[in-house]
Amino acid sequence: DTAVSQTPKYLVTQMGNDKSIKCEQNLGHDTMYWYKQDSKKFLKIMFSYNNKELIINETVPNRFSPKSPDKAHLNLHINSLELGDSAVYFCASSQDPAGRGEQFFGPGTRLTVL
Amino acid sequence: QKEVEQNSGPLSVPEGAIASLNCTYSDRVSQSFFWYRQYSGKSPELIMSIYSNGDKEDGRFTAQLNKASQYVSLLIRDSQPSDSATYLCAVNGRNTGNQFYFGTGTSLTVIP
Repeated sequence: DTAVSQTPKYLVTQMGNDKSIKCEQNLGHDTMYWYKQDSKKFLKIMFSYNNKELIINETVPNRFSPKSPDKAHLNLHINSLELGDSAVYFCASSQDPAGRGEQFFGPGTRLTVL
Repeated sequence: QKEVEQNSGPLSVPEGAIASLNCTYSDRVSQSFFWYRQYSGKSPELIMSIYSNGDKEDGRFTAQLNKASQYVSLLIRDSQPSDSATYLCAVNGRNTGNQFYFGTGTSLTVIP
């Protein structure tokens, strides 16, 4: 069974559209994250949720809105997509909300905005 | 100043040699340090974690931490072509709101 799964794996869309990426983990972890990895491979945290509550909200445009319906799911909705949003988005989870332990990453969603 | 800095490489070593990867960090109260490996087109996977000064060995991998110098390194002994990947250093600390900061990664190529 996949520990952290994301859908879709690839997403190609036009500027101005709204899209969502879904993430689910079956590890029983309390904490989930969204990261953005740009073309230079820099992996930057966007959001962190602990037991459905937002605990980290880095400086990202408010066009990005995470939603956690339960602690096993953390979805990312993006409004009014821009060219600069093109990147690989990784979901991750960990047991330790203080971030001291291993984070398990999903396979990534490659978003291309045309 | 970036929170975590790594030489981007690329670093090339012959098969069987020792590969040395380095990382420095800016948050003096950082507590947890990790090395992740990322193959092209794949997600990062943890290979080592280290929390206290000194060396930690796991198979062919050795992580070294020096908190006074704010420096963490990864040594890969008997490098194999399958070790060719990007290695990401990650650091967590109380001053960073308990979040991970990743370095930009070092690309390693092991030449058969």
